[in-house]
Amino acid sequence: QKEVEQNSGPLSVPEGAIASLNCTYSDRGSQSFFWYRQYSGKSPELIMFIYSNGDKEDGRFTAQLNKASQYVSLLIRDSQPSDSATYLCALRFSGGYNKLIFGAGTRLAVHP
Amino acid sequence: EAQVTQNPRYLITVTGKKLTVTCSQNMNHEYMSWYRQDPGLGLRQIYYSMNVEVTDKGDVPEGYKVSRKEKRNFPLILESPSPNQTSLYFCASSLVPGGLYNEQFFGPGTRLTVL
Repeated sequence: QKEVEQNSGPLSVPEGAIASLNCTYSDRGSQSFFWYRQYSGKSPELIMFIYSNGDKEDGRFTAQLNKASQYVSLLIRDSQPSDSATYLCALRFSGGYNKLIFGAGTRLAVHP
Repeated sequence: EAQVTQNPRYLITVTGKKLTVTCSQNMNHEYMSWYRQDPGLGLRQIYYSMNVEVTDKGDVPEGYKVSRKEKRNFPLILESPSPNQTSLYFCASSLVPGGLYNEQFFGPGTRLTVL
């Protein structure tokens, strides 16, 4: 079992819709969770961070965390073509020094 | 501008020819790390450094070396590259970790092809 699992996609949504990206993880000791966005050929950039159960909103982005179910999600409201990218879920591994474990990413395609 | 830089950005080389990929950050970060990214596998940590002169293996260290003689620089060395090291490499840095949040900032990436 991979430590961080994501559906590779592509997830295709129309412009203006809500995109829902999901991630499950196996490390029950993890406390911090991150969503990175990566455009094709570019480096990952952090868009959301969450450590408490529940929802965290930042503009059009909402991160959701459920530690009991070991589940993290990212919602993108009013999706735009510029949101088309690969979204990487990551957690700060409880057994390592500042170690991030990444999922393989979900490719999102927002079509006009 | 706060940033992580890597050089070269693109490199095509042949099996066995030693190479070094440089990484430098200007944010006075203690922690630096190298990742490789392969399709379907995501980012995997190669080596990391907690501070100057302190480095340790990540998940896929075989075939790589690193050094951390100065806080700002963290070069990745491939002594004898092989085709299975063809990948996209990222350097990242962050402040000394404390608490729950510690963003890692990534360099622009180095695309390496070993023939």
